[in-house]
Amino acid sequence: QVQLRESGPGLVKPSETVSLTCTVSGGAISGHYWNWIRQSPGRGLEWIGSVYYSGHANYNPSLRSRVTISVDTSKNHFSLNLNSVTTADTAVYYCARGEIALDSWGQGTLVAVSS
Amino acid sequence: DIVMTQSPDSLAVSLGERATINCKSSQNILYSSNNKNYLAWYQQKPGQPPKLLIYWASTRQSGVPDRFSGSGSGADFTLTISSLQAEDVAVYYCQQYYTTPYTFGRGTKLEIK
Repeated sequence: QVQLRESGPGLVKPSETVSLTCTVSGGAISGHYWNWIRQSPGRGLEWIGSVYYSGHANYNPSLRSRVTISVDTSKNHFSLNLNSVTTADTAVYYCARGEIALDSWGQGTLVAVSS
Repeated sequence: DIVMTQSPDSLAVSLGERATINCKSSQNILYSSNNKNYLAWYQQKPGQPPKLLIYWASTRQSGVPDRFSGSGSGADFTLTISSLQAEDVAVYYCQQYYTTPYTFGRGTKLEIK
């Protein structure tokens, strides 16, 4: 059974870039779409974007100017970079697999934006 | 963006009774070429990620108990729990994957009466 695990800094300063990695185990990254979703009390669940194993990415227009999602099939992981963060980006960030719904999720990692 | 509106915001149901959660999309999410509704339901318990319950509006994910069922088409959908168990206390979300950006409802909190 595929397992996903997010990693990255828990605290980021405003205007900086947050970089998160999702490591996939128990299954291949090839052949699937991989997603980043965040959850906060104010915004609820928000889809950030996805990347196909080939590297083609698709972003939420609301974040497109600040987001890059990439995949490294050799390391079986994919990554999220979100730049110019503000306190509004404070959330639990999840990685998840799927195009036909999201069938496997990581446990999530809290990213707090604070000076 | 497609807006997903869930109702009610919260719901209290007695053990063994039926629970019904509604979800309405701001536009049709039935793809005519394959006659599939691009709608999923998730369950989220405290401190855990969402768990996929239902996709294609009515197909149960492997391992999901058959007391969970999904129905509806077009823009109106329902998640039904036929006989509420204590472990079903959670927040339930609907999500459309008809078009990006994928969007979620705000959630329905289900409690025991």
